Parts: sequence; structure tokens; C-alpha cells
Amino acid sequence: DTAVSQTPKYLVTQMGNDKSIKCEQNLGHDTMYWYKQDSKKFLKIMFSYNNKELIINETVPNRFSPKSPDKAHLNLHINSLELGDSAVYFCASSPTSITDQPQHFGDGTRLSIL
Amino acid sequence: GENVEQHPSTLSVQEGDSAVIKCTYSDSASNYFPWYKQELGKGPQLIIDIRSNVGEKKDQRIAVTLNKTAKHFSLHITETQPEDSAVYFCAAQHPSASKIIFGSGTRLSIRP
Repeated sequence: DTAVSQTPKYLVTQMGNDKSIKCEQNLGHDTMYWYKQDSKKFLKIMFSYNNKELIINETVPNRFSPKSPDKAHLNLHINSLELGDSAVYFCASSPTSITDQPQHFGDGTRLSIL
Repeated sequence: GENVEQHPSTLSVQEGDSAVIKCTYSDSASNYFPWYKQELGKGPQLIIDIRSNVGEKKDQRIAVTLNKTAKHFSLHITETQPEDSAVYFCAAQHPSASKIIFGSGTRLSIRP
């Protein structure tokens, strides 16, 4: 039973297209996150939702729009894809949004822009 | 804001030897320090964490030490095995922040 699952695992698309990545967690956690990992493996947080409410919104282009229909799901929609969006995107969850809560990661979605 | 520096960026050790990865953080109020292991094609997985009220924590072959005065924390892996080969990330979290800040990662290779 996968705790945090993302779909698709791979996404290859043309510049200018719009795409979505989906994430679901079955851990009963309240808080979910999106991270971007670049080619140098650097992990940077993009967004966080706590019980469907946005609590972290880092300096991310507004072409990226997260949506949380319920606390077990956090999707990421990206408009007008650019070459620089190529990266691995990770979804994660934690029991709550307070400090010292371990985060559980999915296995990532590798996005490649042609 | 918090900044976490991690060294070395790559580390190669002989199987059976020990490996040490070091991190420093900038915000003295940070109080939670997790370590994650990322295998090829997988997401980061928590392997050990330490809170600021303790100086050391051990779990079998893995140990983490924290020096709050110097704002340093380190991961120690003893009796390394081939399956320890991966990228390791340290991280720090401020008590008022919902996000954790990751170091830049260390690629650990175990030589047979």
C-alpha cells in the first residue's frame, strides 16, 4: 500500500502546453506539500496545504496553481510550460503543519519539456 | 530565513568503513533536524531525526549528533554496506515555520 502516490511518474510534453500532476496520500495526514528538485538534486518547497487551506506559497510563477479538493489530495496544474520547468516534482505529507513532523514523500514525477 | 549548508557533496568510502556527513544551519532557533535518504528513482525517505533538546541519537548503524552552540549537526553511518549508496539530505526547521529547509545533498558511494 503506497502511502504517498503521484501520477504520472513521467511526463514529456512540448513547451507552451498545460499539464497536471496528481497526488494522493492514505496516511490520514492533514498537511501536504509540493517540492521541485532540479538537475543538481536541490530540493525546494513550492506550496503547502493544511486541511485544504494554502499555508505556504513560495516565490513560484503564477503559472503553477495547486488545488486541494480534500486533505488527502493535492494536485499541481502548470500552464504554459517552459524549458526551465523540467525537473522532478515531489509530493509529500506530514501529520500536521506544526514543527518537528516527519514528511513522507512520493516517488516523484519527472517532467521533461521538449 | 534559515539556510542549511551540507558537506561534502560527494563521498566515497570502502565497504565496512564509516561515513560522516556534516551540516550547518544559520537560525539558532531551529529545533528539528531530520535526515533523508534518496535512492535512485525514489523520493526522499526519513532515516533519522533529532530535536534540539538532545545532543545525540542512534538507530542501529546510523547516528546523528547536534551541537547547538556551533549550529552543526552530523550523520554518522558505521559498517557501511552497498545498500547505503544513495543521496543523503540534511534539513532544519524553525519552530514557527511549517516548512523545512534542505541542504544541498551528499552523494554517498560505497566501494566493494
